[in-house]
Amino acid sequence: GAGVSQSPSNKVTEKGKDVELRCDPISGHTALYWYRQSLGQGLEFLIYFQGNSAPDKSGLPSDRFSAERTGGSVSTLTIQRTQQEDSAVYLCASSFLAGGRDTQYFGPGTRLTVL
Amino acid sequence: AQKVTQAQTEISVVEKEDVTLDCVYETRDTTYYLFWYKQPPSGELVFLIRRNSFDEQNEISGRYSWNFQKSTSSFNFTITASQVVDSAVYFCALSEAFGNEKLTFGTGTRLTIIP
Repeated sequence: GAGVSQSPSNKVTEKGKDVELRCDPISGHTALYWYRQSLGQGLEFLIYFQGNSAPDKSGLPSDRFSAERTGGSVSTLTIQRTQQEDSAVYLCASSFLAGGRDTQYFGPGTRLTVL
Repeated sequence: AQKVTQAQTEISVVEKEDVTLDCVYETRDTTYYLFWYKQPPSGELVFLIRRNSFDEQNEISGRYSWNFQKSTSSFNFTITASQVVDSAVYFCALSEAFGNEKLTFGTGTRLTIIP
């Protein structure tokens, strides 16, 4: 079956602009996660959605970052007023069950470059 | 707080040699899950294995094997008869069962197989 898909694969933007990154999880997966991978910080958790529960936003680095998940499926990560330190690969993952009880499968990522 | 340590930043071995990647974890939970992911040059994180804290049986899958030892909080990964296609960055990760469903990753080990 289809895996996790993300778009765009690459995004170049100017400092101060807003960007939206999209994630389509594996069909039927109830949990969706966003992570960020950067040279200095490794792989960091950003936010987690599980069903209709309130998302776990504990990893969002600032209030410029937000995410939503519509209809329990597609998710959009929005970064407002981008800064150069936001440059990273943004990875989305989904799992059938929440937490470690199930495996998280990752998408190919969106490489964000802020000039 | 949970933590994963991969002390080996980079390893190079000649093709057909065996290689072991180390992973040490910290968690206060009695129920947790351990993972290994492979990130080849293409960038996508590929799931390799998931183990829960109640199952200390070692596992073998082809040339891959995993040694889980709760007494030393380690979950090491061995590749037997390495091949060039094994060249990648390998990440060990930890997730707790409830209340902290994110993956906490180690910093990764870059494995280079020399032909």
